[in-house]
Amino acid sequence: GENVEQHPSTLSVQEGDSAVIKCTYSDSASNYFPWYKQELGKGPQLIIDIRSNVGEKKDQRIAVTLNKTAKHFSLHITETQPEDSAVYFCAVGSTDSWGKLQFGAGTQVVVTP
Amino acid sequence: NAGVTQTPKFRILKIGQSMTLQCTQDMNHNYMYWYRQDPGMGLKLIYYSVGAGITDKGEVPNGYNVSRSTTEDFPLRLELAAPSQTSVYFCASSYGAGMYSNQPQHFGDGTRLSIL
Repeated sequence: GENVEQHPSTLSVQEGDSAVIKCTYSDSASNYFPWYKQELGKGPQLIIDIRSNVGEKKDQRIAVTLNKTAKHFSLHITETQPEDSAVYFCAVGSTDSWGKLQFGAGTQVVVTP
Repeated sequence: NAGVTQTPKFRILKIGQSMTLQCTQDMNHNYMYWYRQDPGMGLKLIYYSVGAGITDKGEVPNGYNVSRSTTEDFPLRLELAAPSQTSVYFCASSYGAGMYSNQPQHFGDGTRLSIL
């Protein structure tokens, strides 16, 4: 089955700096790569997603890049703000999977003022 | 707009007790999922459903049961609670368009369950 590894597990950044989280996956049939943000006491919320026919996608301060050859994708947050502090999860979806996702273990991001 | 609603938010059970975690969505999504989240482990899929009357096991189904009698509701049942089932449980839903469909999943805010 699919194996998703996420690094780092914790990330501390100064406000205004950039944060990068990387995930690797094992199944070459994987074709959907969403990122979720989870705030304390809340459920995960989708912040951006990318499909395998696209190499990069950007939404304001958030971007995701995908390298299908190397089987990894990354989340980039620029100009970090204190409200970006949360746990971030990557996930992977494959063809013929009925929409099921395999999640990474999560990255705790702390943005210090 | 409620989205995905889970009840209760918190619960403490004794070993051997049973309970049902409720999940309802108002987005007319045909796909629904149950996950458990343990510290540092990400989310693990327990059961999923692709429509009313259709359910299937996920990665960690042992000790749980589900049913799907309507599009809106997808309850998760614990029959004989064990300490290993102490976790945070999340329900999610998505619009599904077939076996090859991958659409964003929308999550509820979870049920925090402790079994003592």
